[in-house]
Amino acid sequence: GIQVEQSPPDLILQEGANSTLRCNFSDSVNNLQWFHQNPWGQLINLFYIPSGTKQNGRLSATTVATERYSLLYISSSQTTDSGVYFCAVDQGVYGGSQGNLIFGKGTKLSVKP
Amino acid sequence: KAGVTQTPRYLIKTRGQQVTLSCSPISGHRSVSWYQQTPGQGLQFLFEYFSETQRNKGNFPGRFSGRQFSNSRSEMNVSTLELGDSALYLCASSLSSGNTIYFGEGSWLTVV
Repeated sequence: GIQVEQSPPDLILQEGANSTLRCNFSDSVNNLQWFHQNPWGQLINLFYIPSGTKQNGRLSATTVATERYSLLYISSSQTTDSGVYFCAVDQGVYGGSQGNLIFGKGTKLSVKP
Repeated sequence: KAGVTQTPRYLIKTRGQQVTLSCSPISGHRSVSWYQQTPGQGLQFLFEYFSETQRNKGNFPGRFSGRQFSNSRSEMNVSTLELGDSALYLCASSLSSGNTIYFGEGSWLTVV
């Protein structure tokens, strides 16, 4: 099956710093989503981004589907950005979605004040 | 608009018992999927329902089952609980498969 690899596994930043998280996937996908899991366990959807670039405030994401990777950029990080960031892909069957997201192992981000 | 609601939030069960978890999707969402999260295995897909039909199932034993009702609410059941079933169980909803999905806060299950 498809493999999803995220890097780095851990990241420690000083408040105000910028960071780039990477997600590589081993096969073509129908869609890719980025999530932030807060310390209480809830997964918050950040981006639905099968291709191209999107921005939402201090966060932006780029997916290059032909090269099978996606990047999540966090600028001017804040302590509230701490948590685990996951990317997840949906491979689909015959061009449609399987309704089954395959998650990477995540990047644990700690932002220090 | 209310988000995805999961109940109960926390529960402790004994080995051999069974448990039922409930999920109410965002209003208008017809696709509901369930995931298990453990420190060792990460986030793993359990199953997905759309219009009361299970459309996809992950690689879990038959002790894990689920259903979806006509109002799109969903339940999952785990029978004959094992210690390894201790996990965070997450429910997610979307308008349909392949769209942005939204997760609930999860149900933390501890099996002792």
